[in-house]
Amino acid sequence: EAGVAQSPRYKIIEKRQSVAFWCNPISGHATLYWYQQILGQGPKLLIQFQNNGVVDDSQLPKDRFSAERLKGVDSTLKIQPAKLEDSAVYLCASSLDPSQETQYFGPGTRLLVL
Amino acid sequence: QKEVEQDPGPLSVPEGAIVSLNCTYSNSAFQYFMWYRQYSRKGPELLMYTYSSGNKEDGRFTAQVDKSSKYISLFIRDSQPSDSATYLCALSGAGSYQLTFGKGTKLSVIP
Repeated sequence: EAGVAQSPRYKIIEKRQSVAFWCNPISGHATLYWYQQILGQGPKLLIQFQNNGVVDDSQLPKDRFSAERLKGVDSTLKIQPAKLEDSAVYLCASSLDPSQETQYFGPGTRLLVL
Repeated sequence: QKEVEQDPGPLSVPEGAIVSLNCTYSNSAFQYFMWYRQYSRKGPELLMYTYSSGNKEDGRFTAQVDKSSKYISLFIRDSQPSDSATYLCALSGAGSYQLTFGKGTKLSVIP
C-alpha cells in the first residue's frame, strides 16, 4: 500500500512570496489533514477535510493560508504572502474516516522563509 | 497551562536501557491516548494506541495510562539504536477525534 505522498520535500522562499504544497493521500482515505510542525514542537492541525468538504479550519490563518481538496483526493495548501514565522514542516495525513485513531502521515514539506 | 505537557529532552541512554517517556494533560475529557514515533526528516508514525486506564504491551513497548492522574507513559525495554527518534504523545476525544500533540521527546540510544 502506497503511503501519503507530499511534494516538494524542501522549499526556500523569501518573505512576502507565495508557496504551494501538494498532498496525495492513501487511496480510499476520505479524511485528509494538514498540520504545521514548528521546530521543537508537536504537529498543530491547520485544516481537516472530509472528502472535499472542510470539517475544521479553526486554526488556519485565513488571511494568508488557503487549502483545497478538489474531487476529494489530492489537496494543496497555499501560503500567500509568507512570513518568517511560517518556517516549519508542513505535514499531510490521511485516515479512512474521522473516527479512525490511526492517521498516516506523509514525509512533510520543509519550508524555510528568509 | 498547555493542554498536553511533554519534556522535550533530549534524552540519551545506553543500548539495552529501559526508557521511560511521559506526558501529562489537563483536560480530563481526553479518551484516546497515542504514541507516535518520528524519525529525523520523516512524518510521525503510530506506535501505540490505548483507550482506557491501564497498560498495553506490544513487544518491547508498553503504554501506560493513568486517567486519575492525567498521566501517560511509554516504556521501551532493551532499547536499541534504531529506537533513536522523537516520541510524540497525542490525545483525542475531548469533543472530537482531532489529535492534540505534545512537543515530543528526542531520544538517542547510544551503542
